[in-house]
Amino acid sequence: EVQLVESGGGLVQPGGSLRLSCSASGFSFNNYAMHWVRQAPGKGLEHVSSIRSNGGNTFYADSVKGRFTISRDNSKSTLYLQMTSLRAGDTAVYYCVKDQAYTSDWYILGFDYWGQGTLVIGSS
Amino acid sequence: IVMTQTPLSLSVTPGQPASISCKASQILLHSDGKTYLYWYLQKPGQSPQLLIHEVSNRFSGVPDRFSGSGSGTDFTLKISRVEAEDVGVYYCMQSLQTPLTFGGGTKVEIK
Repeated sequence: EVQLVESGGGLVQPGGSLRLSCSASGFSFNNYAMHWVRQAPGKGLEHVSSIRSNGGNTFYADSVKGRFTISRDNSKSTLYLQMTSLRAGDTAVYYCVKDQAYTSDWYILGFDYWGQGTLVIGSS
Repeated sequence: IVMTQTPLSLSVTPGQPASISCKASQILLHSDGKTYLYWYLQKPGQSPQLLIHEVSNRFSGVPDRFSGSGSGTDFTLKISRVEAEDVGVYYCMQSLQTPLTFGGGTKVEIK
């Protein structure tokens, strides 16, 4: 059974930093691209960042480029999102999401399994 | 790519059909011949779950009362007979280009 468990969310002051983690199990983590998707309270879904299976390529939405860094440790089956210069507008539930494609190529097929999410609140 | 869903909300009697439309701002057909359109359901208090991938393929464990159709820029999700467990917000999503983008959602409730 695929499981994705996020952690690291919390209340952070504007300008502050936070690191989210996602522990994965139930599949061969090192063969899938992984993603972060966020959802502001009562709002829709926004694709934030993606990383290739081997960590060699990344994608960032314009809204977070230069402030967020995605990374992964395949030896620990863990995905990370380092968030800096946080803003009130970054307040959201952050979901760790698995890609559907089993591949070592830099290829995003689509999102299949989602974690339960971790809430980040940017507020003073 | 902008994804537009209609209607915003839907109230359905159990056992009756329901239909949700999704329109993309550009054709979602890739040069590989596949069309990258997905449907998700977010039940109350839960994370989204994949229903349909590549327009019409039901994901593992998804009941056959859910079906997807469409091509080009216009797509439809149909529920043949709505059940109480189908309540929530339905999202379409394109994965042709980054960033992957979602429709605004359609809230389905039971009458």
